[in-house]
Amino acid sequence: GIQVEQSPPDLILQEGANSTLRCNFSDSVNNLQWFHQNPWGQLINLFYIPSGTKQNGRLSATTVATERYSLLYISSSQTTDSGVYFCAEINAGNNRKLIWGLGTSLAVNP
Amino acid sequence: EAQVTQNPRYLITVTGKKLTVTCSQNMNHEYMSWYRQDPGLGLRQIYYSMNVEVTDKGDVPEGYKVSRKEKRNFPLILESPSPNQTSLYFCASSHPGGDEQFFGPGTRLTVL
Repeated sequence: GIQVEQSPPDLILQEGANSTLRCNFSDSVNNLQWFHQNPWGQLINLFYIPSGTKQNGRLSATTVATERYSLLYISSSQTTDSGVYFCAEINAGNNRKLIWGLGTSLAVNP
Repeated sequence: EAQVTQNPRYLITVTGKKLTVTCSQNMNHEYMSWYRQDPGLGLRQIYYSMNVEVTDKGDVPEGYKVSRKEKRNFPLILESPSPNQTSLYFCASSHPGGDEQFFGPGTRLTVL
């Protein structure tokens, strides 16, 4: 099945800095999602982005399906951006299971 | 507000005491599933349901049961919880024709 690789695994930023997180896939990308898991454990949907570019406030994402990767941009980071960022893709098959990367753990310091 | 809700959010229990974690969605989604998240193992699918009365095993179904009697609800049942079921549990839902999945807030379960 598809494999998902995220980089970097850890990131420390000063408040106000920008960052780029990357997701690479071993197979075709059709249903990519980005999530933020906050320090309380909640999974927040950020983007559903099988292709193209989307923006939501200080966050934006780009998926280049033909190259099998996706990027998440965080601009002017805030302490509330801290947590773990996951990308995930639906596994081919009937169970619609999401295949997850290991995540990027982000800490934004004031 | 469109959402997936789970209850309880936190639970500490003892080995062997039956429990149910409820999951409800108000988006009229046909597809629902349960995941557990453990350090170093990521999120793994427990069970899923394509529609009412249609459920199937995911990757780690042992020790769990589910039911889907109504479209909006998909409870996770632990008949005889054991300490290795201590985990963070998530319920998710989506339209089968639409692929974005929406997650509940999570249930942190500790089995002593």
